[in-house]
Amino acid sequence: GAGVSQSPSNKVTEKGKDVELRCDPISGHTALYWYRQSLGQGLEFLIYFQGNSAPDKSGLPSDRFSAERTGGSVSTLTIQRTQQEDSAVYLCASSPGSGWGGTQYFGPGTRLTVL
Amino acid sequence: AQSVTQPDIHITVSEGASLELRCNYSYGATPYLFWYVQSPGQGLQLLLKYFSGDTLVQGIKGFEAEFKRSQSSFNLRKPSVHWSDAAEYFCAANYNNNDMRFGAGTRLTVKP
Repeated sequence: GAGVSQSPSNKVTEKGKDVELRCDPISGHTALYWYRQSLGQGLEFLIYFQGNSAPDKSGLPSDRFSAERTGGSVSTLTIQRTQQEDSAVYLCASSPGSGWGGTQYFGPGTRLTVL
Repeated sequence: AQSVTQPDIHITVSEGASLELRCNYSYGATPYLFWYVQSPGQGLQLLLKYFSGDTLVQGIKGFEAEFKRSQSSFNLRKPSVHWSDAAEYFCAANYNNNDMRFGAGTRLTVKP
């Protein structure tokens, strides 16, 4: 079946612009996770959703970052007023379990470049 | 702050040789522990995880990891490495549901 998909695969934007990154999890997966990977910071966990709710948003790097999930399916990560340090690959994963107990399946990522 | 350390940035082993990748987590309550692998054409994949119970955990692709509380370690092992195991390996610890920390990664090169 279909895996986790992310769009766009690549995004180049100018500093100060807003961007939206989309994640389509595997159908039926209740948990959804966002990460980012950059040369400077390595792999970082951003946020996870159980259903439509995110129990804790403290992993988001700044208040310019927000995420939502609707209908227990698609999730959008929005970055406002992008900065060059936001350049990274943003990874999404989904899991059939709750919390961290299930196996996560990762999407291919969105490569964000902020000029 | 909690942290995860992977002391080896790069390891080279011969095909067929055994492998051990080291991972240490910062001392405190035992976190949930994970190993991930990232290959250029495959993306990120969960190899195995430890929550509690048996300290020797079996994963996919013939990997296993052993949790040692006394050493705050969760080392990844494989008895015989295959060329397809060449990749970047990440250890991670989840301390409090939303506090998920990753190590810097160990790049594995496999010699023929």
